[in-house]
Amino acid sequence: AQSVAQPEDQVNVAEGNPLTVKCTYSVSGNPYLFWYVQYPNRGLQFLLKYITGDNLVKGSYGFEAEFNKSQTSFHLKKPSALVSDSALYFCAVRDSNSGYALNFGKGTSLLVTP
Amino acid sequence: NAGVTQTPKFRILKIGQSMTLQCTQDMNHNYMYWYRQDPGMGLKLIYYSVGAGITDKGEVPNGYNVSRSTTEDFPLRLELAAPSQTSVYFCASLGSNQPQHFGDGTRLSIL
Repeated sequence: AQSVAQPEDQVNVAEGNPLTVKCTYSVSGNPYLFWYVQYPNRGLQFLLKYITGDNLVKGSYGFEAEFNKSQTSFHLKKPSALVSDSALYFCAVRDSNSGYALNFGKGTSLLVTP
Repeated sequence: NAGVTQTPKFRILKIGQSMTLQCTQDMNHNYMYWYRQDPGMGLKLIYYSVGAGITDKGEVPNGYNVSRSTTEDFPLRLELAAPSQTSVYFCASLGSNQPQHFGDGTRLSIL
């Protein structure tokens, strides 16, 4: 089965500092990986995806993610955090056996303090 | 474009009652999904559909039913509500070369 794991329940970072939210994956074949963000009482918003190609993927709102095949990781990064980045972040992998549904990690809460 | 629209946004049910969560999309996407989100658990797939007239079970289908009579609509039915179905429910759709689009969710409490 295709799965992802997010080892951190919460990440705290000061505004202006770089941030990293971790994700590791377990898949058979080539992974299709995604990051989504959820603000309070809202649905999930797409940030970026990796399908193939460059290992560094750039996405929305200044976020990027680095695909590392040897470490089976897909960490989300941002060079300089904003208070407004505080939200719940989900890593996900596409499951071709369930109509391309997404299998999600449990989520990581990011808190950026002024 | 409205994208994916879910109604209602909030609902409180009594144990044993039934209800339908509505989901509609205006992007002509063939693929649609229902997920539930529980605290600290991420999202779990309940049912999915690859086109009108075709539905299939996901990871947690027990206690739910779906139908897909049109491309636009994918309602989720709870027949006998149980406290374990208290959750936030998200509908999503998928088009070609696009990421999944999510609705804003339905927050359901069963008391």
